[in-house]
Amino acid sequence: QVQLKESGPGLVKPSLTLSLTCTVSGFSLSSYGVIWVRQPPGKGLEWMGVIWGNGNTNYNSALKSRLSISRDTSKSQVFLKMNNLQTEDTAMYFCARWDHWGQGVMVTVSS
Amino acid sequence: DIQMTQSPSSLPASLGDRVTITCRASQDIGNYLRWFQQKPGKSPRLMIYGATNLANGVPSRFSGSRSGSDYSLTINSLESEDMAIYYCLQHNEYPFTFGSGTKLEIK
Repeated sequence: QVQLKESGPGLVKPSLTLSLTCTVSGFSLSSYGVIWVRQPPGKGLEWMGVIWGNGNTNYNSALKSRLSISRDTSKSQVFLKMNNLQTEDTAMYFCARWDHWGQGVMVTVSS
Repeated sequence: DIQMTQSPSSLPASLGDRVTITCRASQDIGNYLRWFQQKPGKSPRLMIYGATNLANGVPSRFSGSRSGSDYSLTINSLESEDMAIYYCLQHNEYPFTFGSGTKLEIK
């Protein structure tokens, strides 16, 4: 069955880089796009970006200068990297295939 | 960026009620509109895609509709398991944008 699972550090210091991995199963990354969405505590959802089946990417314009999404199709993994983290980047980070979502990973930005 | 104005932000309702949540798009998005349900501590769940199509496994009491730039999610005969926050999302134009959410709660 289709599954997605995020992994990464729970705590990141300000100004450093966040690296998250979304490991998928049950489908091919060459055939489906994967989106990243984040949610600060107690707040709404924010679309961060997408990597499509053909490998093309698109990003939230507000994050574009700091954000990179890539993948390794052989490992069924999608990667999110965001640099210069600030406290306002503290959030739950989700990867999803629209109709299937990971459980999310909480990332706290704090010194 | 396309703004999705979602209303109401909070919706007290009773079990058995029929409720409607609306998103208004600031620009034309065609039918590139999805609705998600999120319960506390859980990941979002796709409910509606293409503005009017029910996602797999979603009960038939849920429906989506469009009137011009207004998109609606309607729940007929509200059940306790429907209490959640609902978000719309437009994916017609980058950046994709979510509405601000509607918290559906028991009156």
